[in-house]
Amino acid sequence: GAVVSQHPSWVICKSGTSVKIECRSLDFQATTMFWYRQFPKQSLMLMATSNEGSKATYEQGVEKDKFLINHASLTLSTLTVTSAHPEDSSFYICSARGLEFLEQYFGPGTRLTVT
Amino acid sequence: AQSVTQPDIHITVSEGASLELRCNYSYGATPYLFWYVQSPGQGLQLLLKYFSGDTLVQGIKGFEAEFKRSQSSFNLRKPSVHWSDAAEYFCAVGNDYKLSFGAGTTVTVRA
Repeated sequence: GAVVSQHPSWVICKSGTSVKIECRSLDFQATTMFWYRQFPKQSLMLMATSNEGSKATYEQGVEKDKFLINHASLTLSTLTVTSAHPEDSSFYICSARGLEFLEQYFGPGTRLTVT
Repeated sequence: AQSVTQPDIHITVSEGASLELRCNYSYGATPYLFWYVQSPGQGLQLLLKYFSGDTLVQGIKGFEAEFKRSQSSFNLRKPSVHWSDAAEYFCAVGNDYKLSFGAGTTVTVRA
């Protein structure tokens, strides 16, 4: 299957600071990337969908000014959590899909802790 | 609106026994159907997928799933479970643009 990486795998930041998470497709061109949030023992909640070169489409209830998504190339998307607060602490997972296939391939996730 | 139900929150199975995980969905048309597995602290790995055609699909690690349109179900099965199959399993349904995930089923394997 296709390989997706995320960096960092975990990050601790202070309240009020911003943190950037990278999602890369390593062996395919990702025309669409997705960002999910997962709370402990819960399912994945889709935050936003981004197509390369276009603005991200955010799900209802997700603050676009707080969760900035950029999909500047066919292999890289970034999620920036701005002015982070403790309630933003979560497991963030990205996925990617290429033109050649319909399924999404997931990254290993990033554990964010805001203190 | 689309929705996915995984009725079993937690299943415990003995090593070597068979496993079946249930998934029911509500969707306007025939959706794309997926099963993913997640180990603790990890991302999701695709086990198998259904888009069209043969309703019995084979996946990795010895898993299979059957799409039953009349029951709106896509149950996952494995004939003989290994200790390494202990994980969280998610059923997902969707289309080109969006996936909806079930709440997940935790599988515990006892020796």
